Amino acid sequence: RKEVEQDPGPFNVPEGATVAFNCTYSNSASQSFFWYRQDCRKEPKLLMSVYSSGNEDGRFTAQLNRASQYISLLIRDSKLSDSATYLCVVNIGDSWGKLQFGAGTQVVVTP
Amino acid sequence: DAGITQSPRYKITETGRQVTLMCHQTWSHSYMFWYRQDLGHGLRLIYYSAAADITDKGEVPDGYVVSRSKTENFPLTLESATRSQTSVYFCASSESGSGGAPETQYFGPGTRLLVL
Repeated sequence: RKEVEQDPGPFNVPEGATVAFNCTYSNSASQSFFWYRQDCRKEPKLLMSVYSSGNEDGRFTAQLNRASQYISLLIRDSKLSDSATYLCVVNIGDSWGKLQFGAGTQVVVTP
Repeated sequence: DAGITQSPRYKITETGRQVTLMCHQTWSHSYMFWYRQDLGHGLRLIYYSAAADITDKGEVPDGYVVSRSKTENFPLTLESATRSQTSVYFCASSESGSGGAPETQYFGPGTRLLVL
């Protein structure tokens, strides 16, 4: 079983619509959580950290459910520029910050 | 602001050859990392370094060697390339947070390696 699992998608989303997807993690000792965005053939970039109480950054909302060991990302009012692969990333808590990456969820926003 | 750079960006080599991928960062970040990315696997950690002259294995270290004589450079060497090492390689760096652990990782543009 993978440490971090994501639905690979693609999620095809009309422009302006809302899309949400989850990521599950297996290590209950995981300390911190992130969503990274990766455009085609580019490097991953931090989108947002995920806090226990949930957090928003503009049109993006991240939630953490420790009891069920999943995090979610919701994108409102989708833009064409939101088309990308979204990587779920979990820090399992080692002092040097070992990050476990999911394989990514692809989102395609269509006009 | 150059940030983090990798070279070469593309490399084709043959089985059995030695290949070195370079990574250079201008931020003086303490931590540096090497990942490989393959379809269906996501990013997997090969090696990491907490500071100059301090390196350790990640999830998939076999067949790779690293060194870090200077804070800003973290080269990755494939001692004898195999076809299974065909992949996209990303270098990343991060600074230490208040507790000493790494903060957000910043990735280089990647090196696409094809081993024939």
